[in-house]
Amino acid sequence: NAGVTQTPKFQVLKTGQSMTLQCAQDMNHEYMSWYRQDPGMGLRLIHYSVGAGITDQGEVPNGYNVSRSTTEDFPLRLLSAAPSQTSVYFCASKYRDYNEQFFGPGTRLTVL
Amino acid sequence: AQSVTQLDSHVSVSEGTPVLLRCNYSSSYSPSLFWYVQHPNKGLQLLLKYTSAATLVKGINGFEAEFKKSETSFHLTKPSAHMSDAAEYFCAARSSNTGKLIFGQGTTLQVKP
Repeated sequence: NAGVTQTPKFQVLKTGQSMTLQCAQDMNHEYMSWYRQDPGMGLRLIHYSVGAGITDQGEVPNGYNVSRSTTEDFPLRLLSAAPSQTSVYFCASKYRDYNEQFFGPGTRLTVL
Repeated sequence: AQSVTQLDSHVSVSEGTPVLLRCNYSSSYSPSLFWYVQHPNKGLQLLLKYTSAATLVKGINGFEAEFKKSETSFHLTKPSAHMSDAAEYFCAARSSNTGKLIFGQGTTLQVKP
């Protein structure tokens, strides 16, 4: 198993540009989540999904959209990037009713 | 609202000495508790988890954590630090009613030779 994969690893955007951060898992996990990591703030939940076709907002959803058309993929979209979205983004997945989350390697995003 | 507080943002120890990383949680329910480690430019790796079984939990790489309900704490310990333990450590709690994972702010562990 590849586990949780994320692309790209690094990205630099200009303010106002849009992009999609990709996340995929091959473990047939129902739950998938997106977090952002900022210094001194730990990880904060952006959006999550409990299964294909079902998504919900986390702690800091503004400025981000998600969709879950398949079990494997959970892309995160930035429609109009802002400098405040400069962060490291982690995707995670887990089995339903299991406690352990598996994290991807992260995407380091800089918005100028 | 549930919260997780890591009491130290930075801990420095000498190689071979004990490690203590402190974590307190607030919750109306008995949560599931986790410790994750993040090495530079890497993702998060689960060290150990508490899910209402034994209160002393053993994890990977010689780490342990003890759940103390009376103190609402879940401190991470290791008897003897190794240089490879230098990393950032995150305590997290999973709410039993929402299922969401709440992370602490993180503790950077520095290990000096």
